[in-house]
Amino acid sequence: EDQVTQSPEALRLQEGESSSLNCSYTVSGLRGLFWYRQDPGKGPEFLFTLYSAGEEKEKERLKATLTKKESFLHITAPKPEDSATYLCAVQSNTGNQFYFGTGTSLTVIP
Amino acid sequence: EAGVTQFPSHSVIEKGQTVTLRCDPISGHDNLYWYRRVMGKEIKFLLHFVKESKQDESGMPNNRFLAERTGGTYSTLKVQPAELEDSGVYFCASSQEGRGIDTQYFGPGTRLTVL
Repeated sequence: EDQVTQSPEALRLQEGESSSLNCSYTVSGLRGLFWYRQDPGKGPEFLFTLYSAGEEKEKERLKATLTKKESFLHITAPKPEDSATYLCAVQSNTGNQFYFGTGTSLTVIP
Repeated sequence: EAGVTQFPSHSVIEKGQTVTLRCDPISGHDNLYWYRRVMGKEIKFLLHFVKESKQDESGMPNNRFLAERTGGTYSTLKVQPAELEDSGVYFCASSQEGRGIDTQYFGPGTRLTVL
C-alpha cells in the first residue's frame, strides 16, 4: 500500500536556524514526489516536484532532495514568514491520485 | 490567471441535511480532483474527473457522496444525507494534462461541519 510519513510533526526554529524536514514514502512505482506549503485556512500551495532519485530543486531558502526511500526539505536561515505546514505527497505509476503525509508544522521565531 | 476556487468557504449543517460543494478549476485544466482532510488525519483522495468523466472514484467513502462535472468545467460534490463523520475540509485540485507527472493545484477548501 502506498504510504507517506512525515517527520517531525512540529518544528520550532529560531530565525536563521537551518533545519530539515523528512518525508519517507512507500509506493509501488514513483511517478513524482511533491512538496506543498499550507498556511492556516488556505489550500496547499505548490513548491516542488521531484521525479527521480538524486534530483534536487531550490527556491529561495528551500531546497528539496530525493532518494529512493525519502525526500528532505532543507530550510536555510529561515524567516518568520516561512512558518507554515509543509506537506509531502507522492504520485504512483498506478494512478493520478496523490498520497499525502500528515505534514510538518514549522514555526520560525523572530 | 485565476486559481482553483471553491464555494462555500464554510458550511455548517445538521446531521441528515444535504450540502453541495462547488469547485471551479483553473481554466483549461481537464483534470479535476476532490480530496478531504478529516481533523488530525492526512489529506485523502476522493475522486478524479477527466473532463466530464469519472476516471477514478475509488476514494469515495459511500453512496451518500455524489460528484458531478457537467460540461467538463466546474464540479459539485453533494453529501446527502450528511453524517457527523463527514465533517472536515474538502479540497479541490486541478491539473492540465493528467498524463505522466502533472502538478495538481489546490483550491482553498470548504470547511464542512456537521452537527
